[in-house]
Amino acid sequence: GNSVTQMEGPVTLSEEAFLTINCTYTATGYPSLFWYVQYPGEGLQLLLKATKADDKGSNKGFEATYRKETTSFHLEKGSVQVSDSAVYFCALSSGSARQLTFGSGTQLTVLP
Amino acid sequence: NAGVTQTPKFQVLKTGQSMTLQCAQDMNHEYMSWYRQDPGMGLRLIHYSVGAGITDQGEVPNGYNVSRSTTEDFPLRLLSAAPSQTSVYFCASSKTSGGGPKANEQFFGPGTRLTVL
Repeated sequence: GNSVTQMEGPVTLSEEAFLTINCTYTATGYPSLFWYVQYPGEGLQLLLKATKADDKGSNKGFEATYRKETTSFHLEKGSVQVSDSAVYFCALSSGSARQLTFGSGTQLTVLP
Repeated sequence: NAGVTQTPKFQVLKTGQSMTLQCAQDMNHEYMSWYRQDPGMGLRLIHYSVGAGITDQGEVPNGYNVSRSTTEDFPLRLLSAAPSQTSVYFCASSKTSGGGPKANEQFFGPGTRLTVL
């Protein structure tokens, strides 16, 4: 079956630090990969996505590259801000199914 | 557009009570789904629907029922609440036809926080 593994949190960084949140996956076929962000008290919002190998998704300074050879989709940002404090979820969907399989989430706190 | 709306925001139940969590979307999306979010476990799929009149089970369907009589609404029913159903519940929807960059992007509601005593 499908599964997503994210690095354990919580992660605490100072403002302007470099961020990496690791994500690896197991899936049948050729999945689409997603990063969702959840701000306190809110639902999930799509942050970025990639639908095929070597695609790079990007949004709001965040980037992630679909690496089929390492089955990874690591999230990066060069300079985090306090407003980036949130929980980040890696997810995949595969085949004709629309269902998302989520990782356990990584809590990010950015200190001023 | 209001997007995906969920009611109530918070609910406390006693063991054995039943209730319905409401979900509605005004984007004419074909696909709707319910997830539960528990600490350290991400989101897990409870039930989903690919269109009016069609529903199917997800990863954790036991103790929950759904129906899809209209495109807009997708209520989740707890038949006899148990403490193990204490969780945050999210409804999501997506467009599955027509292609384009937004196809299959899931939009989430704000969630319902349920406590079962």
